[in-house]
Amino acid sequence: GAVVSQHPSWVICKSGTSVKIECRSLDFQATTMFWYRQFPKQSLMLMATSNEGSKATYEQGVEKDKFLINHASLTLSTLTVTSAHPEDSSFYICSAPIAGGLLSTDTQYFGPGTRLTVL
Amino acid sequence: GDSVTQMEGPVTLSEEAFLTINCTYTATGYPSLFWYVQYPGEGLQLLLKATKADDKGSNKGFEATYRKETTSFHLEKGSVQVSDSAVYFCALSPQAGYKLSFGAGTTVTVRA
Repeated sequence: GAVVSQHPSWVICKSGTSVKIECRSLDFQATTMFWYRQFPKQSLMLMATSNEGSKATYEQGVEKDKFLINHASLTLSTLTVTSAHPEDSSFYICSAPIAGGLLSTDTQYFGPGTRLTVL
Repeated sequence: GDSVTQMEGPVTLSEEAFLTINCTYTATGYPSLFWYVQYPGEGLQLLLKATKADDKGSNKGFEATYRKETTSFHLEKGSVQVSDSAVYFCALSPQAGYKLSFGAGTTVTVRA
């Protein structure tokens, strides 16, 4: 099946620093990717939609200047948490949809997630 | 807007017991419906899906039927195993490949 990878799988950083998380589609092209945030024992909250070659679309309440998204190619989207603070500690998950094609139809595939801890 | 309401957990069962997790949705039109599973320490995996009314999705012994008349997509398994212990998320997508709306998730623990 389709594979979506994320790097790093976990990261610990100091407050005030920036952290970049990569999301890659390994065997398919994704013009759109989604970034989610998951708090412990809670559901996924959609943060933004990443669009290849154009600006990301952010959900209400998500600070676009704090969570910078760049979709530089058809297989890579990055999320940069700028000036991170302890309240940004969370599990960040990306996904990419496949519509039609051989692998599946109308299905999103999720990365394994990145655990961010801000000290 | 679109939303998913999912049975709250946690749910604790014995092996070989019957599992049902209720899921209802609110959406305009004809959304696609999904069940995702998150095993401990892992990312979300698609468990099954249904894209139109009366479709039945099935995988690994799990089943769910898209019921438009009751706007439901309940997940069932006839005989659970310890390896089925995970968090289960019901989700909907308003159209192909677009962003998902998730339910709150149901934690299922199966004891030997």
